[in-house]
Amino acid sequence: DAGVIQSPRHEVTEMGQEVTLRCKPISGHNSLFWYRQTMMRGLELLIYFNNNVPIDDSGMPEDRFSAKMPNASFSTLKIQPSEPRDSAVYFCASSPGQFYGYTFGSGTRLTVV
Amino acid sequence: AQTVTQSQPEMSVQEAETVTLSCTYDTSENNYYLFWYKQPPSRQMILVIRQEAYKQQNATENRFSVNFQKAAKSFSLKISDSQLGDTAMYFCAFTATNSGYALNFGKGTSLLVTP
Repeated sequence: DAGVIQSPRHEVTEMGQEVTLRCKPISGHNSLFWYRQTMMRGLELLIYFNNNVPIDDSGMPEDRFSAKMPNASFSTLKIQPSEPRDSAVYFCASSPGQFYGYTFGSGTRLTVV
Repeated sequence: AQTVTQSQPEMSVQEAETVTLSCTYDTSENNYYLFWYKQPPSRQMILVIRQEAYKQQNATENRFSVNFQKAAKSFSLKISDSQLGDTAMYFCAFTATNSGYALNFGKGTSLLVTP
């Protein structure tokens, strides 16, 4: 298994531009999570899906952020318009069940200038 | 709210020595799971060890073991025979059975293993 696959690994964009982060979870994992990591705030849960359905999006910072999971093998996190304070590492993770914890992707480092 | 506290922002240990990282958590739940994740400079998050709250036996994974004290809500990680490759950020994490799948992380402990 290739693990959780995220793309791109790095993204540099100008303020105001749309950014789309992509994630392919591990096959058979029915839960998918998006996290954001910053020095100031640590690891924050943004949203999670169970069986492709968004369960809790209370961590999404504002309406500029949106996430979709059109099928079991793909999810996107979109920021529109992007702002410098969105600069962070964004992780996607998937899980087959609560006990097993999460398997994380390698993250996308987003820099908004 | 469920919180996870790691009181040691930074620690250092010499190669081959043993080090213990502390973690406490706050919850009113009775069924929950605890984890330690390692994040080396490559930034990959790696699951180190996991513990079910209803199991009294402490989990072990090779050189990694935990000291789980449910009454004290404490979940420390012991690394034996430390290796240079253990240098990383270590995050304690918690999820409760009745609180959905949210995995709450502590702020992390930066561990440096020196030769």
